[in-house]
Amino acid sequence: QVQLVESGGGVVQPGRSLRLSCAASGFTFRSYGMHWVRQAPGKGLEWVAIISYDGSNKHYADSVKGRFTISRDNSNNTLYLQMNNLRTEDTAVYYCAKDIDSWLGYFDHWGQGTLVTVSS
Amino acid sequence: DIQMTQSPSSLSASVGDRVTITCRASQSIDNYLNWYQQKLGKAPKLLIYTASTLQSGVPSRFSGSASGTDFTLTISSLQPEDFAAYYCQQSYSPPYTFGQGTKLEIE
Repeated sequence: QVQLVESGGGVVQPGRSLRLSCAASGFTFRSYGMHWVRQAPGKGLEWVAIISYDGSNKHYADSVKGRFTISRDNSNNTLYLQMNNLRTEDTAVYYCAKDIDSWLGYFDHWGQGTLVTVSS
Repeated sequence: DIQMTQSPSSLSASVGDRVTITCRASQSIDNYLNWYQQKLGKAPKLLIYTASTLQSGVPSRFSGSASGTDFTLTISSLQPEDFAAYYCQQSYSPPYTFGQGTKLEIE
């Protein structure tokens, strides 16, 4: 069965960096687009970024563009989110999510999430 | 960016009730509208995609419909396990925006 396991969350000061990972199993990782979606405490869902199945195309939410970078390693079935110049408003649970196809923009499987807290 | 306006933000209902949640897109998104359910402390779960297609394993009491830029999620007879938050999301073009969510509570 499909499994997505995020890691790398924690407490970080404003302006610092953090890299999240998402280990995927149970499906042919290299064939699917992958996303990051976040949820601030007590708030709704916010889509963050998508990467195509082969890593050649990416798209970001305006709120993270220029600060966050999505990438993937298809040889190790792992998705990444490099987060630089973090702000307090980036505090959230970060979910990795599998696209239902190579790039259809919706998500049929989600990880359990990893909490990122940006605070001084 | 496409804005998704979801209503109501909260809703109280009883087991057996029929409930409807609506979502309006700020522009045409064809039928690229999806619905998710999120229980407290858990990851969201895909219920319906492309406005009206039920995801595999989702009970048939859930249904979706579309009329122009207006979309509806209907639960025909609420079950205890349906009390959760519900989100619409457009997949017409990135950024793939969500509605603000609807919290469905027990009356």
